[in-house]
Amino acid sequence: AQSVTQLDSQVPVFEEAPVELRCNYSSSVSVYLFWYVQYPNQGLQLLLKYLSGSTLVESINGFEAEFNKSQTSFHLRKPSVHISDTAEYFCAVSDRFGAGSYQLTFGKGTKLSVIP
Amino acid sequence: ETGVTQSPTHLIKTRGQQVTLRCSSQSGHNTVSWYQQALGQGPQFIFQYYREEENGRGNFPPRFSGLQFPNYSSELNVNALELDDSALYLCASSFTNRAHYNEQFFGPGTRLTVL
Repeated sequence: AQSVTQLDSQVPVFEEAPVELRCNYSSSVSVYLFWYVQYPNQGLQLLLKYLSGSTLVESINGFEAEFNKSQTSFHLRKPSVHISDTAEYFCAVSDRFGAGSYQLTFGKGTKLSVIP
Repeated sequence: ETGVTQSPTHLIKTRGQQVTLRCSSQSGHNTVSWYQQALGQGPQFIFQYYREEENGRGNFPPRFSGLQFPNYSSELNVNALELDDSALYLCASSFTNRAHYNEQFFGPGTRLTVL
């Protein structure tokens, strides 16, 4: 079974400063990778995903993540954070258990707190 | 297009009781996955239903069971509730296409508290 490690449980950062949330995964085979965001008392929203192709993927709200196969990492970055980015962020990897059937394995999450 | 909905929003039960949680999948989707998110943890895969049958299961005991209906909605049933079952239960729907990865769309969750 695959595993996902999010190295920081909490990350405080000042508004307009850059941020990096770190994620490492265990699989040595081809994987699909994801970042989800969870706002208080809400479900998960997909932020961005890597399925294939360019190793740098971007979201519509300024986040980006880079797939690094040699380091088995998929770190999330944003050059300038806003108060509205305060949330919990989960890194996830897909596990295929049948034709077209996938489950997601999540890390424990990183709470991003943006300080005014 | 209606997204994934779950009911109820919150639920309080006592140890030993049984509970049923419900999920309506997004329009056009035929697969439902259930996840348990304990406080301070990431979601953990419970099981997946496709064509009304269990299609895969995580490391959860048999007292966690489910159903999928012809309209692709789903139920999660938990028998003999334990204190550690207190968690946010998330439902995710997707369209199974055997040729490609199928993105999962999550509902808002049901918060279960076991006393």
